[in-house]
Amino acid sequence: QITLKESGPTLVKPTQTLTLTCTFSGFSLSTRGVAVGWIRQPPGKALEWLALIYWDDDKRYSSSLKSRLTITKDTSKNQVVLTVTNMDPLDTATFYCVRYDSTTAVEYWGQGTLVTVSS
Amino acid sequence: DVQMTQSPSTLSASVGDRVTITCRASQTITNWLAWYQQKPGKAPNLLIYKASSLESGVPSRFSGSGSGTEFTLTISSLQPDDFATYYCQQYNVYPFTFGPGTKVHIK
Repeated sequence: QITLKESGPTLVKPTQTLTLTCTFSGFSLSTRGVAVGWIRQPPGKALEWLALIYWDDDKRYSSSLKSRLTITKDTSKNQVVLTVTNMDPLDTATFYCVRYDSTTAVEYWGQGTLVTVSS
Repeated sequence: DVQMTQSPSTLSASVGDRVTITCRASQTITNWLAWYQQKPGKAPNLLIYKASSLESGVPSRFSGSGSGTEFTLTISSLQPDDFATYYCQQYNVYPFTFGPGTKVHIK
């Protein structure tokens, strides 16, 4: 059974750096073809694809947010970490951790974690 | 980036109606398109991948078609559980991008 769970702060101040951790089970990020990524959704708005990291450490980022995002993996811990620098109130969103497959796109989603940016 | 558009943005329909949602890409994505259903407060759920492949466990009233730049999601007979927001996503070109969503309301 594949599961993913996001963890991290629920409230951050403007200009701070957000660090979110995705802990997953039921698969290995060292398996060829597997990737884990992040998608966010501001309240009442659409989904926004953020970043993806592959089994071979290939990393892909949103064009508009690339300068602020870093995605890393710890295969031994079954974790993927996303950092977002210089947080702004407009970054308030639910952040989802996902498992991506090159054929089926996103079959598995975490429950999501709401991050609010406010002073 | 590949821009994804969806039409309509909202639609009102009745139980039993046939519903069609269109998704267009700003450049060809061959058939690397997925459809998701999202209900309030929940993570999205994959319905269709590779434009027309039905995800396991998804009711057969859902179907997808299209290739290149134009795609459709069809619900053959709308059920009460289908009132939700639907998103398309291209996964052919990085960065992968989503459409703005189509909200299906009860008429």
